[in-house]
Amino acid sequence: SQTIHQWPATLVQPVGSPLSLECTVEGTSNPNLYWYRQAAGRGLQLLFYSVGIGQISSEVPQNLSASRPQDRQFILSSKKLLLSDSGFYLCAWETGDGYTFGSGTRLTVV
Amino acid sequence: GESVGLHLPTLSVQEGDNSIINCAYSNSASDYFIWYKQESGKGPQFIIDIRSNMDKRQGQRVTVLLNKTVKHLSLQIAATQPGDSAVYFCAESVLGTYKYIFGTGTRLKVLA
Repeated sequence: SQTIHQWPATLVQPVGSPLSLECTVEGTSNPNLYWYRQAAGRGLQLLFYSVGIGQISSEVPQNLSASRPQDRQFILSSKKLLLSDSGFYLCAWETGDGYTFGSGTRLTVV
Repeated sequence: GESVGLHLPTLSVQEGDNSIINCAYSNSASDYFIWYKQESGKGPQFIIDIRSNMDKRQGQRVTVLLNKTVKHLSLQIAATQPGDSAVYFCAESVLGTYKYIFGTGTRLKVLA
């Protein structure tokens, strides 16, 4: 079966610390993968998307970066977190007729 | 740039009544639209979709209407239930572009 895994579920990090969020998919090959951020009470903002290994497109200039070291793995990173990086981060996999979203990571930068 | 917006940020509906959530989109080239439901602390879940060659599509208790003339999309939920309480997002896309633009969302509150 096709599934998407995202972890951790919650994370509290101090300002200036690094970040690594991981997303993996199972049951498919060469998926299109996405990272979205959702601020409290707001919509979904596309951060990065990837159509293949090593291929990353950035939608919004910011303090974050993404990498795709393997076909079914998508990583969101930061070298130094800012307070404004707090939010709900969602990984998604494009299935041809919409997205399947992961369960999300609630990041709080303190 | 292109954007997708919603008319009502919060909608309160009595249990058993019908709900209508509206969405406006600005990219006339968009040809595929999806409604998502997001419960608190969870990722959005697909509800129903519609392609631009249709103006209406029905699912179980939900109907999506598309008016391309005024670039308007709506989600109708029949006999709204407490479990329908969530934030609803519309999303637009041009098929083959791999990207979806989401609106800010409408919170639906079902009153007992």
